[in-house]
Amino acid sequence: GAVVSQHPSWVICKSGTSVKIECRSLDFQATTMFWYRQFPKQSLMLMATSNEGSKATYEQGVEKDKFLINHASLTLSTLTVTSAHPEDSSFYICSASGGGQLYEQYFGPGTRLTVT
Amino acid sequence: QQPVQSPQAVILREGEDAVINCSSSKALYSVHWYRQKHGEAPVFLMILLKGGEQKGHDKISASFNEKKQQSSLYLTASQLSYSGTYFCGTELKGSARQLTFGSGTQLTVLP
Repeated sequence: GAVVSQHPSWVICKSGTSVKIECRSLDFQATTMFWYRQFPKQSLMLMATSNEGSKATYEQGVEKDKFLINHASLTLSTLTVTSAHPEDSSFYICSASGGGQLYEQYFGPGTRLTVT
Repeated sequence: QQPVQSPQAVILREGEDAVINCSSSKALYSVHWYRQKHGEAPVFLMILLKGGEQKGHDKISASFNEKKQQSSLYLTASQLSYSGTYFCGTELKGSARQLTFGSGTQLTVLP
């Protein structure tokens, strides 16, 4: 159990365009979803936390107008990178938590974004 | 604030043991351990919630010293499949499930 999917697994886009990444919890209801960014050989950096039906909470330094997060249901959250630039190229990973006392996070397989 | 992991990297042979440490300067509510293989998503290993708690499955176990704000991951009789980067994620008291991940420990198990 506890499977999280992400789509697409990789995407190449031109500078100035927008890209949407989907994160789905397949076999549980995710009350909270997290979006991370990871550069090569570096740690996971939390970008934002989203609870179903609420506005996302962004970490300091993350532009909310650039990284739009929607958590419309208990199984789906989306991250839209607007007006992408080459410096936005990265590995984006989502995780989902189903709640309860231990509320461990289960990670999706990640999306490799390359902006040309 | 990012927890400090040590060592940064370790190389061992099959069957050897390893310990990875994670320490925080702030009071912790829980510590989560994950393993990530190259190009893949992190895989959940375990959570430690209470001070002094120890958990484990198979030959991977962990301890959490709440007073020292430290956790250690123990890998015994390592297997080739244990290779990867291990991250600890720390949850601060009152932080509502948000995790801050350490810089990772790259573990390589050689035959």
